[in-house]
Amino acid sequence: KAGVTQTPRYLIKTRGQQVTLSCSPISGHRSVSWYQQTPGQGLQFLFEYFSETQRNKGNFPGRFSGRQFSNSRSEMNVSTLELGDSALYLCASSLLSDSNYGYTFGSGTRLTVV
Amino acid sequence: QQPVQSPQAVILREGEDAVINCSSSKALYSVHWYRQKHGEAPVFLMILLKGGEQKGHDKISASFNEKKQQSSLYLTASQLSYSGTYFCGTEIIGSARQLTFGSGTQLTVLP
Repeated sequence: KAGVTQTPRYLIKTRGQQVTLSCSPISGHRSVSWYQQTPGQGLQFLFEYFSETQRNKGNFPGRFSGRQFSNSRSEMNVSTLELGDSALYLCASSLLSDSNYGYTFGSGTRLTVV
Repeated sequence: QQPVQSPQAVILREGEDAVINCSSSKALYSVHWYRQKHGEAPVFLMILLKGGEQKGHDKISASFNEKKQQSSLYLTASQLSYSGTYFCGTEIIGSARQLTFGSGTQLTVLP
């Protein structure tokens, strides 16, 4: 059974540019969440999608957005990149948007903003 | 709102036991535990729902004290493969499916 697939694995972008990250959840999983991981702030929740609807959003500026497609694949977009956006972005999928289920994380996309 | 994990780091010899604690100031619906090895994705260990349950997973178990809003992860007879950073993720009542993670506990198991 394939795991959570995130592409690309590494990205280098310049300040002011925008970036789109992709996540393919485990087959059958309908909930996709995104987290940002940095050495200073740790793991921080960005948003969760279920059935193409954003269910929750963390405390991030509007430059961070996402969407989910009908096949449960999800994309995350960051516009007007800042140096502080450099981080590991992790996607996590879950069978349902239900507190009885844990998350399976992907290996992440490491974004470096220069 | 971030849960407090303790200790920040622990070094063990193979076969020794360890306890990692996670404490929240908010009323929790659930506590998740994950382990992350360097350069890898966090791996789900277990989830505990409010109700004060305890779960076990091989030699790794956890408890959730609803009255204290605390969870503890117990690693018994540790193995080299247990090395990594352990995170607790808390789900606050009213913020469903939005995990707030602790800063992590770095566990090193030496031969």
